[in-house]
Amino acid sequence: DAKTTQPPSMDCAEGRAANLPCNHSTISGNEYVYWYRQIHSQGPQYIIHGLKNNETNEMASLIITEDRKSSTLILPHATLRDTAVYYCIVRVGPGNQGGKLIFGQGTELSVKP
Amino acid sequence: GAVVSQHPSRVICKSGTSVKIECRSLDFQATTMFWYRQFPKKSLMLMATSNEGSKATYEQGVEKDKFLINHASLTLSTLTVTSAHPEDSSFYICSARDVRDEQYFGPGTRLTVT
Repeated sequence: DAKTTQPPSMDCAEGRAANLPCNHSTISGNEYVYWYRQIHSQGPQYIIHGLKNNETNEMASLIITEDRKSSTLILPHATLRDTAVYYCIVRVGPGNQGGKLIFGQGTELSVKP
Repeated sequence: GAVVSQHPSRVICKSGTSVKIECRSLDFQATTMFWYRQFPKKSLMLMATSNEGSKATYEQGVEKDKFLINHASLTLSTLTVTSAHPEDSSFYICSARDVRDEQYFGPGTRLTVT
């Protein structure tokens, strides 16, 4: 599975958009980009995933560059409850059993009032 | 979304004893389950992958005789930490993958070995 690089920490003002970058320059053609987050002392929570098109759901938007070497997770209106460690992970996607979620160090997002 | 539970949520045991942690997928059948451990202020580290009815596959450096994994059914996997020592104290998290290949995580079990 390809590795990812994320900034170790970021701050965001409450109510503003949080843009979390991720580099995955060695991603393979059949690997998806997954985002999870972990609030302190809880299990990781799935946010969103995508292959090459931009994706949006009720939690966030995922923007993947055309060359797929990087992506950005966008939380459109961050709240204090969004304070967490955000993990960007690449793995073979749905329909390809066998891919593993290997966690990097993630980005610690602090949403401030 | 799908729900994965773990029991117990916290456990304290004495050095030398064994501890069993259960992981259940409550509303779906899990084709594959995973076990992770996490030390304070560190990321999750994958320990092993298990499929129902077969032996678990352990990641490099994880002792299979120390961390016994049983995946007896499509909704239950157990991790037994045998002869626990203080260095085994950690946050253990299980994860279950459904037939659509989506993966969900349990709330974690905090193990403290005294």
